[in-house]
Amino acid sequence: NAGVTQTPKFQVLKTGQSMTLQCAQDMNHNSMYWYRQDPGMGLRLIYYSASEGTTDKGEVPNGYNVSRLNKREFSLRLESAAPSQTSVYFCASRDNQETQYFGPGTRLLVL
Amino acid sequence: AQKITQTQPGMFVQEKEAVTLDCTYDTSDPSYGLFWYKQPSSGEMIFLIYQGSYDQQNATEGRYSLNFQKARKSANLVISASQLGDSAMYFCAMRELSNAGNMLTFGGGTRLMVKP
Repeated sequence: NAGVTQTPKFQVLKTGQSMTLQCAQDMNHNSMYWYRQDPGMGLRLIYYSASEGTTDKGEVPNGYNVSRLNKREFSLRLESAAPSQTSVYFCASRDNQETQYFGPGTRLLVL
Repeated sequence: AQKITQTQPGMFVQEKEAVTLDCTYDTSDPSYGLFWYKQPSSGEMIFLIYQGSYDQQNATEGRYSLNFQKARKSANLVISASQLGDSAMYFCAMRELSNAGNMLTFGGGTRLMVKP
């Protein structure tokens, strides 16, 4: 039981490049989330998916797109990366008891 | 206004002593949940404890307990018998009923350092 997994662990991009962050969970949770954490701050919600086939914007969605590929997988795409998107990205899934479980994070640096 | 406020950017505690990390929240929802997460230097977010707004008793999980004072809108984390491995960032978070998707709103965190 791996919980929530994320790939890649680290990534360096140049401004304007695109990339997709992958997330998968094996806990059969319906809801999944993408957060970003900037230095010295708490997490902020980018997008979430309440169930397979649905996605909704969170607090800071600009510059991102998401895909809920199936119940297990929820990907985050940066179409044209900007230095302001340098951050640590966390994926999470939520159980029926309201608790969100987080993946290990992806550290992204945009030059 | 900040929904979750953690007023202690950093704290020291002596090993084996208890420590309280403060968290105050702001919501008008009648139903909400409060969470504490630990983030060690390795970066992962580890769930510690949960308190529902209608729970009559304070939540406890091993050495962690949540001092929930609803009227004061505070949900302080108490760690008993501190260990060196408790050194980490600690985040308080809230889930409000009105939040679509049950998103969490996080505070700015408190860095706890345990002294040997």
